Amino acid sequence: KQEVTQIPAALSVPEGENLVLNCSFTDSAIYNLQWFRQDPGKGLTSLLLIQSSQREQTSGRLNASLDKSSGRSTLYIAASQPGDSATYLCAVGLTQGGSEKLVFGKGMKLTVNP
Amino acid sequence: GAGVSQSPSNKVTEKGKDVELRCDPISGHTALYWYRQSLGQGLEFLIYFQGNSAPDKSGLPSDRFSAERTGGSVSTLTIQRTQQEDSAVYLCASSPNTYNEQFFGPGTRLTVL
Repeated sequence: KQEVTQIPAALSVPEGENLVLNCSFTDSAIYNLQWFRQDPGKGLTSLLLIQSSQREQTSGRLNASLDKSSGRSTLYIAASQPGDSATYLCAVGLTQGGSEKLVFGKGMKLTVNP
Repeated sequence: GAGVSQSPSNKVTEKGKDVELRCDPISGHTALYWYRQSLGQGLEFLIYFQGNSAPDKSGLPSDRFSAERTGGSVSTLTIQRTQQEDSAVYLCASSPNTYNEQFFGPGTRLTVL
């Protein structure tokens, strides 16, 4: 059974720091990995998608890497801002029983203090 | 363009009543997904549609849950005889095709009293 782990569960940092968020998964048979952001009471916003054949994706201040063989992904946030405060979720895409689905970690709550 | 929309945004119901949740995917997206987010369980997968077909319904928590999709577009998730443990946020997502990025709607918050 695929398990996705995000550690730590919460992080509080001062504005301007560069951050690394970690995600690990137990089964390398994935077809992609997505990083999401969730603001309180809201749905999920897709930040970055990495296909299984890719190693890295970048969008603005965000960079995500994927190492399938070791079951790890990292999300790098450069020069953090208070507006980055949210819960960040990692999810791996896999097929099971004919269905495609995402399996999510429990998320990491980030607080960036001005 | 318009994103994934869900209705209602909030639903409060009494234990034992039936509820119907609606999802309108992004136009042209062939894949549609339902997930549930609760405090104790995190985000869990419920069901996947490719077109109007759901290959595997084993992710639905019990036989009180059913889902359908019509015209390759709108989907409804129905919960019969609701229980308090059904209280959660129900999220819908759509994707342009297989093995692609999923885009989520704002969710329906269901509260069963």
